[in-house]
Amino acid sequence: NAGVTQTPKFQVLKTGQSMTLQCAQDMNHNSMYWYRQDPGMGLRLIYYSASEGTTDKGEVPNGYNVSRLNKREFSLRLESAAPSQTSVYFCASRAPGGQYGYTFGSGTRLTVV
Amino acid sequence: GNSVTQMEGPVTLSEEAFLTINCTYTATGYPSLFWYVQYPGEGLQLLLKATKADDKGSNKGFEATYRKETTSFHLEKGSVQVSDSAVYFCALSGGGSNYKLTFGKGTLLTVNP
Repeated sequence: NAGVTQTPKFQVLKTGQSMTLQCAQDMNHNSMYWYRQDPGMGLRLIYYSASEGTTDKGEVPNGYNVSRLNKREFSLRLESAAPSQTSVYFCASRAPGGQYGYTFGSGTRLTVV
Repeated sequence: GNSVTQMEGPVTLSEEAFLTINCTYTATGYPSLFWYVQYPGEGLQLLLKATKADDKGSNKGFEATYRKETTSFHLEKGSVQVSDSAVYFCALSGGGSNYKLTFGKGTLLTVNP
């Protein structure tokens, strides 16, 4: 099915370890986004990519890096994981124009111990 | 900047009860407004949207009207079902080339049989 695919679905890391969360979309969308979801906080934007070759910081970028590998793929990297990064991470993409909303992946549940 | 304030909940209703979840926003220009739904263990799905003042979005028996004069986009359903139990997020997309979504904190709805 067309949509946004995230891997892995679950991950446990030790403090200080690194990992990359993968995201791919097959809808030919230009814009892609990474959000984190925490209880009582809603969704907060980490980074986004308005088009292939560009990335920008969102609301909570500290401790993260991103790569827009091509039009389909947008990865999120934690270089040195911290317990405060325990969260559910969602990738999303958007069709051109603000009226269409986003299509979200099913999420990655990350626990840092 | 843009912001969304929604009724925090949790909200607990009996089946067939009337539902209202309040949402108000602050934004410059003319944003598009959205309601997303998140079922347990899943990602966010677009429930309905409205792109200009006085538009009514509707889907699956849910409705919301874009009220610019009161900067509101309240979600309503006349008769809820157990299957409507989920977290509901109000969101807005401002103008500009990146159309970042700003979310409310979410409202947990539980419907009892």
